[in-house]
Amino acid sequence: EAGVVQSPRYKIIEKKQPVAFWCNPISGHNTLYWYRQNLGQGPELLIRYENEEAVDDSQLPKDRFSAERLKGVDSTLKIQPAELGDSAVYLCASRELGSTDTQYFGPGTRLTVL
Amino acid sequence: GQSLEQPSEVTAVEGAIVQINCTYQTSGFYGLSWYQQHDGGAPTFLSYNGLDGLEETGRFSSFLSRSDSYGYLLLQELQMKDSASYFCAVRDQTGFQKLVFGTGTRLLVSP
Repeated sequence: EAGVVQSPRYKIIEKKQPVAFWCNPISGHNTLYWYRQNLGQGPELLIRYENEEAVDDSQLPKDRFSAERLKGVDSTLKIQPAELGDSAVYLCASRELGSTDTQYFGPGTRLTVL
Repeated sequence: GQSLEQPSEVTAVEGAIVQINCTYQTSGFYGLSWYQQHDGGAPTFLSYNGLDGLEETGRFSSFLSRSDSYGYLLLQELQMKDSASYFCAVRDQTGFQKLVFGTGTRLLVSP
């Protein structure tokens, strides 16, 4: 079974530039999460999808961040414009409907904003 | 909201036993999870405790005491490959069922 796929793995951009991250969850997993992980910290939730519906985006900085999950499968997270403080690892995770707290994480995209 | 406390770093030698503690404050509680993350890698699920007591999975065990708002991860017969960061996480009770992670404990296993 393929795991959660993310691309790109690394991205370096200059501040004020846009950037997008892509995630393909495990097949059949209804719930998809985007997390941000700063160095030396635990992941922090940005947004959670149940199928194609964003059911929790309370921690998504909506002035510059946006996300979509068309057709309830893969998802894109965008930042526009990026700021220096956005440098972090962006993790995508998915969960099977009915499971407890088992989330399956992708390898993440390491973003560096110069 | 939720907050979790873990030691920042733990060191041990191969073959030893190490315990990583986690204390939490929460307005509601639906279980404590543990995740392992190697440098540059993805967090991977290790265990979940919904009720008090000990859960064992191979060399790893996890314990929960809801009355003490406390849990721990026990790693036995340590191997070099166990060097990683370990995160405890609780489920948030705002109604959205998101996981709130601790800041992580970096485990260094030496020969």
